[in-house]
Amino acid sequence: GAVVSQHPSRVICKSGTSVKIECRSLDFQATTMFWYRQFPKQSLMLMATSNEGSKATYEQGVEKDKFLINHASLTLSTLTVTSAHPEDSSFYICSASNRDRYEQYFGPGTRLTVT
Amino acid sequence: RKEVEQDPGPFNVPEGATVAFNCTYSNSASQSFFWYRQDCRKEPKLLMSVYSSGNEDGRFTAQLNRASQYISLLIRDSKLSDSATYLCVVNNRAAYKYIFGTGTRLKVLA
Repeated sequence: GAVVSQHPSRVICKSGTSVKIECRSLDFQATTMFWYRQFPKQSLMLMATSNEGSKATYEQGVEKDKFLINHASLTLSTLTVTSAHPEDSSFYICSASNRDRYEQYFGPGTRLTVT
Repeated sequence: RKEVEQDPGPFNVPEGATVAFNCTYSNSASQSFFWYRQDCRKEPKLLMSVYSSGNEDGRFTAQLNRASQYISLLIRDSKLSDSATYLCVVNNRAAYKYIFGTGTRLKVLA
């Protein structure tokens, strides 16, 4: 399968600070990238869909001003959690897809802990 | 009602057993179906796509029943390494979104 990387893999930050997570597709051009969040013992919840060169589409209940997404190239998307709070602590996972394939390949995830 | 429903388990089975999971989906417009495997604190990994005619990959067999809107995964000759959470994923191509089930946890016991 395709390779998708995420950085950082783990981050601890203080409440009120912002954290940027990078997602890269390493061996194919990702026309679409997705950002998910997963709380313990729950399934992945889609936060937003990002297409290269256009604004992200956010799912209902996800604040676009709090979770800033940028998809500047076909290999890179970033998620910035602004003014993080302890309730934002979660496992954030990105995935990348080429529309022709309809399969999504997931990054290894970023575990965010806000203290 | 959730769009994709799975029995959360856990299914505890002995090594060598055959185990089957079902998943139901509510959106009849769904067009693509997948099974993913997720290990504890790791990202999901694609196990197999599910095709209308059913498909097999080694010890794994997936079936799709569009009329009843469910998909299944059968694992034969279970190995200890099969222990994981199995996620049913449904995609509506028009909306280009993946909808995940909550996952079924499998524990294969020695």
